[in-house]
Parts: sequence; C-alpha cells; structure tokens
Amino acid sequence: GAVVSQHPSWVICKSGTSVKIECRSLDFQATTMFWYRQFPKQSLMLMATSNEGSKATYEQGVEKDKFLINHASLTLSTLTVTSAHPEDSSFYICSASPPEGARFEQYFGPGTRLTVT
Amino acid sequence: AQRVTQPEKLLSVFKGAPVELKCNYSYSGSPELFWYVQYSRQRLQLLLRHISRESIKGFTADLNKGETSFHLKKPFAQEEDSAMYYCALSKSGSRLTFGEGTQLTVNP
Repeated sequence: GAVVSQHPSWVICKSGTSVKIECRSLDFQATTMFWYRQFPKQSLMLMATSNEGSKATYEQGVEKDKFLINHASLTLSTLTVTSAHPEDSSFYICSASPPEGARFEQYFGPGTRLTVT
Repeated sequence: AQRVTQPEKLLSVFKGAPVELKCNYSYSGSPELFWYVQYSRQRLQLLLRHISRESIKGFTADLNKGETSFHLKKPFAQEEDSAMYYCALSKSGSRLTFGEGTQLTVNP
C-alpha cells in the first residue's frame, strides 16, 4: 500500500528558531499533499494544501509567512515553522494523495511532535 | 461552511455488544463522507467511505441525507476495535474536514 513518511518524528527547538518538517510519499507520486495540526485530545485541523510546482493554499487563520510550505517534487513536501514560539508546539501530520485512482484517497504520515521551549 | 460533529468524545462498550459511533454533518452540497481510524501508536488510516457502501472489519456506515448523519456501526464489537475514530467530510474530493473524534474502548 501507499506509504507516507515524516521526518523528524519529534523535535525540540528553542523559541525564535525555525524548524523544517519533511513529508515524503515513498512508493507513489503525490501531486497534492496536505498539512494538518493536531492539539492534544483534539481533531486534525487542515493548515494548508500543497500542490507540486505551485504555491500552497492556506486555510483561513493560518499564517503563510509563519508556516512555509514547499512542494518541490512529486514525492516531497516540507513545512517550515519560522520563528517558532511555545504556542506552535503541536503534532503536525501530513497526508498525500496519489494522482491516479480515487481522488479522495489520502494516505497519512505518522506525524511530527514539535515542542518549542 | 462545512462542519462535522461527533457528539461523543468517549464511548465504552463490552466485547460482543453492538456499537454505534455518531457523526452528523452540515454541508449544502453533496458531500463525500469517510470514517478514519487511528489505533494506538499508529497513523491515521481510512476505514471506509460512503460511496463504496462497503463493510470493513465488520463496520458499516450509511449516509442519511435527511438526518445529515453518517453513523458508524458494528453489530459485535471486538477488543481490537478499540481506537480513535474520526468522521470526515470532503466537498471537493480531496480537502477533508474532520470531526472531533470518538475514542472507542471495547472492554473484555
């Protein structure tokens, strides 16, 4: 089956620094990738939709200058949290959709736990 | 705006008992609805989708447009069904809106 990986699985950084999270589709090409954020005991909130070769589409309320998304290839999307603050601490999850087959198929990564101190 | 509501954050049943996880949605068009499951320490995965009208692991879900519901049911719960279940809606075939999730515990 389709596999999506994320790296790192967890990261601790100091306030004011930037952190990059990678999302890779391992055995399929993903024209579209999604980035979600999940707070403890809460649901997944879509942050942005990342399309290969074009700018990401951000959801309302998500700062595009703070959460930089790059989808440079069909197998890789990155999310960079710039000038991180403790309130950015969360679980970040990506998903990827293959171009063929069911258009609603999304395969999820294992998530990245970000802690900002 | 589209919205998905799962009224129960926690649901506990005994093994062999029927289980129903509720999901209600609000959307003006024709929605595509899904159930996702997240087992302990595992990633989120698709359980079933309404257009397939399939039964996965004994679970079924029927879309009721009149009641705007998509409840997940299983006649006989098993311990391995214990997990977090998310109902999700898609309006464009890809972008998903998730409900708050229901933690199901099946007791022996």
